[in-house]
Amino acid sequence: GQNIDQPTEMTATEGAIVQINCTYQTSGFNGLFWYQQHAGEAPTFLSYNVLDGLEEKGRFSSFLSRSKGYSYLLLKELQMKDSASYLCAVMDSNYQLIWGAGTKLIIKP
Amino acid sequence: GAVVSQHPSWVICKSGTSVKIECRSLDFQATTMFWYRQFPKQSLMLMATSNEGSKATYEQGVEKDKFLINHASLTLSTLTVTSAHPEDSSFYICSARITEYNEQFFGPGTRLTVL
Repeated sequence: GQNIDQPTEMTATEGAIVQINCTYQTSGFNGLFWYQQHAGEAPTFLSYNVLDGLEEKGRFSSFLSRSKGYSYLLLKELQMKDSASYLCAVMDSNYQLIWGAGTKLIIKP
Repeated sequence: GAVVSQHPSWVICKSGTSVKIECRSLDFQATTMFWYRQFPKQSLMLMATSNEGSKATYEQGVEKDKFLINHASLTLSTLTVTSAHPEDSSFYICSARITEYNEQFFGPGTRLTVL
């Protein structure tokens, strides 16, 4: 079966760094996405990795290792507005997105 | 960037009525649109995949006669919740994919409350 695993909840301090991990097992792979979702709102796109390595975009970076079925989202210089759920999703061989359950990130002052 | 709109953004209806939700891609043509449902504190659940001009493909457990999907043009897909019941109350989100790219662009969502 297809499976995406990520921690349910994480807590971090304002100004610090946090890494949210995601492991996956899917039938085929056409890329891995990270989305941010604030409560009551639709997801917004953060990053897309299809090749191994690190993609950096401002305070956010995303890493992928296809051989390990592993990705992480790294958030630096955390701000209170970063409190949200972070969703990991893998696009399978049929170009369907397989979603993780999301990681709720709580930022404390 | 690509923009997807949904209408209405929220709706309250009586049990037994039907509700139509529209999803539009505003500045691009979307050959494929997706409909998701999200219950509180849960992840997105794909309901169906809709391709322009053809019948939607429903996920297992989703009643196609209850959730009618029409994708009549490259910029519009509609989801009709027929004979809605309180258990259908949820956050419904559509997304659209540009053929050349893998990324999905999400609409803002529609919050449905059935009394």
